[in-house]
Amino acid sequence: SQELEQSPQSLIVQEGKNLTINCTSSKTLYGLYWYKQKYGEGLIFLMMLQKGGEEKSHEKITAKLDEKKQQSSLHITASQPSHAGIYLCGADLYNFNKFYFGSGTKLNVKP
Amino acid sequence: EPEVTQTPSHQVTQMGQEVILRCVPISNHLYFYWYRQILGQKVEFLVSFYNNEISEKSEIFDDQFSVERPDGSNFTLKIRSTKLEDSAMYFCASSYRGGEKLFFGSGTQLSVL
Repeated sequence: SQELEQSPQSLIVQEGKNLTINCTSSKTLYGLYWYKQKYGEGLIFLMMLQKGGEEKSHEKITAKLDEKKQQSSLHITASQPSHAGIYLCGADLYNFNKFYFGSGTKLNVKP
Repeated sequence: EPEVTQTPSHQVTQMGQEVILRCVPISNHLYFYWYRQILGQKVEFLVSFYNNEISEKSEIFDDQFSVERPDGSNFTLKIRSTKLEDSAMYFCASSYRGGEKLFFGSGTQLSVL
C-alpha cells in the first residue's frame, strides 16, 4: 500500500533551474520529514515539519506542509549537481513507532 | 553531530546461512528501528524497538528475523536462514523520543548468493 505518494518519480533538470517535489498522504500527517539519499548510501535528514502551514528553508531548499497536513512540497531553487540524489518524504501516520517513507523522487541535475 | 554506526558496510552470505547486522545507535536514544531497501525500491519499515521489546513490526518481519539489544549499546538484526530475496540495504535508525527525527546509519548492503 502507498501511504505516502511522491511525485514525480524522477526528474532531470538543467543546473540553475528550480524544481518542486510533492508528497501526498491519505491520512493526517503528525510529522513530515524530508530525507535525501545519495545513490547507494544512507539517508540524510533535511527538514521536519509538524504544524499545518509550516515552511522551513535550508540553503536553497524550502519545504512546506499544507494547512490540512496531508501534503508537503520540497522546492529547490537554482539547482546544482550537488542536489542530485533521491529525495524521500517520511511520516508518522498511525503512531510514533512506525515511520513510513514515500517511494522517493530521483533527481538528476545536468551541469 | 552524533552518528548511528552500522557494521559491516557490506556482507555477502550463502543462502540458508544466518547473518547478524550490527548497529550502534546514538547513546541517549531510546527508540530503535530497522529498515530495508531492495535495490531500486522504496525504503521499507521492518521493526521498531523500545524499552527492550518490539513496538511494531511489518509483515516483512517474519519468524526468520529477530532483533536484540544485547548490551545497552548495540542493536542487532538477525536473519536466521537467509533467502535470495533478503538481499538489500539494511538501515538502522534511532531517535530520542517517538515522533522525533530519526537518525539513520549508512547501511549494510547484504548480498545473499
